[in-house]
Amino acid sequence: NAGVTQTPKFQVLKTGQSMTLQCAQDMNHEYMSWYRQDPGMGLRLIHYSVGAGITDQGEVPNGYNVSRSTTEDFPLRLLSAAPSQTSVYFCASSRTRGNTEAFFGQGTRLTVV
Amino acid sequence: GEDVEQSLFLSVREGDSSVINCTYTDSSSTYLYWYKQEPGAGLQLLTYIFSNMDMKQDQRLTVLLNKKDKHLSLRIADTQTGDSAIYFCAETPLRRKIIFGKGTRLHILP
Repeated sequence: NAGVTQTPKFQVLKTGQSMTLQCAQDMNHEYMSWYRQDPGMGLRLIHYSVGAGITDQGEVPNGYNVSRSTTEDFPLRLLSAAPSQTSVYFCASSRTRGNTEAFFGQGTRLTVV
Repeated sequence: GEDVEQSLFLSVREGDSSVINCTYTDSSSTYLYWYKQEPGAGLQLLTYIFSNMDMKQDQRLTVLLNKKDKHLSLRIADTQTGDSAIYFCAETPLRRKIIFGKGTRLHILP
């Protein structure tokens, strides 16, 4: 059972470039979310989805887009990368919103130069 | 508002007990959680406690919940080098979303 798979693990972008961080889960979870983790800031919620076709903003959504066309996949798109988006990004899924256990991917370390 | 507070660092000697503390603001949370993040990895659920419980014990881990003071603690007995990690406290107010604290980095001294 793969759980939550994130790709790539590492990425370097130039300012202004766009890219998509991939996230897939094989547990048939309804709820998926994206976080960014910065030193001293903990985890901040970027976007989340309560099911296929439904997405909503978290606390730091600016500069990011998401879509949820299937239950399994929840990609995060950076439209025009900025140095302030240098961070470690985590995708997580759980059976339902606020359910007891969230499963996390291994993270994507993104550097924007 | 919704907030989860925890200290950022804790140093403990190997073999001693570690106690990581957390305060939260939303009394509607049904579950309160402790997640562990090892270096270079994502978060992993360590344990959780239901809001109508005062204590939960699981091998070397003891979770204490004081609902009146909105205080949660995680005690790790006989702390080992493998316990070195960042520990996150989290709550789920009204089951809407998970709110994480900033994490406590546990450093083990030899």
